[in-house]
Amino acid sequence: DAGITQSPRHKVTETGTPVTLRCHQTENHRYMYWYRQDPGHGLRLIHYSYGVKDTDKGEVSDGYSVSRSKTEDFLLTLESATSSQTSVYFCAIAGVEQETQYFGPGTRLLVL
Amino acid sequence: AQSVTQPDIHITVSEGASLELRCNYSYGATPYLFWYVQSPGQGLQLLLKYFSGDTLVQGIKGFEAEFKRSQSSFNLRKPSVHWSDAAEYFCAVGTGGGNKLTFGTGTQLKVEL
Repeated sequence: DAGITQSPRHKVTETGTPVTLRCHQTENHRYMYWYRQDPGHGLRLIHYSYGVKDTDKGEVSDGYSVSRSKTEDFLLTLESATSSQTSVYFCAIAGVEQETQYFGPGTRLLVL
Repeated sequence: AQSVTQPDIHITVSEGASLELRCNYSYGATPYLFWYVQSPGQGLQLLLKYFSGDTLVQGIKGFEAEFKRSQSSFNLRKPSVHWSDAAEYFCAVGTGGGNKLTFGTGTQLKVEL
């Protein structure tokens, strides 16, 4: 398995509070991604990064921001969490073949 | 923009029976195609992928998939299903170059003993 960890694995928070999720990789891969998974929607891309300090928006980026100051870490921030952001969040990294993505274990977020 | 359709939300098969999960994609160029499997509470595991070349690709756990350009399909097959194959299966299309994946909504597989 690719060396990807996500923290925290579970989080409960209240509406309006900021939340930061961390993705950490030990593979030194250039590409990193954040997805959210919701029933009936599969996985949808939030943001992705193609290098340190290089990021771009995905399909469902509203309400989310990201940062990548080191190759190994990709942070996803919910500036002011809403109940609609209750979801399971997955980080992925691109493998040696850059088109192939490998996924972390996920973070389950509940916004009350 | 690319899109993926998995027409079957749920499928139930008996252990030992054959399996085919359907996937149709929409993309203007030659697609990169993937099948992932997700067990409950787990992340996604790559089963197999198609980039180019032989249209029949072999993956892990005895799975295979066939790329049919004329039908815009990439169906997943297994000749004999095991109870441990019960999981959710996702088809995805990518644009290559480390770029974004678009996923289908998934097919939940139940295996009856």
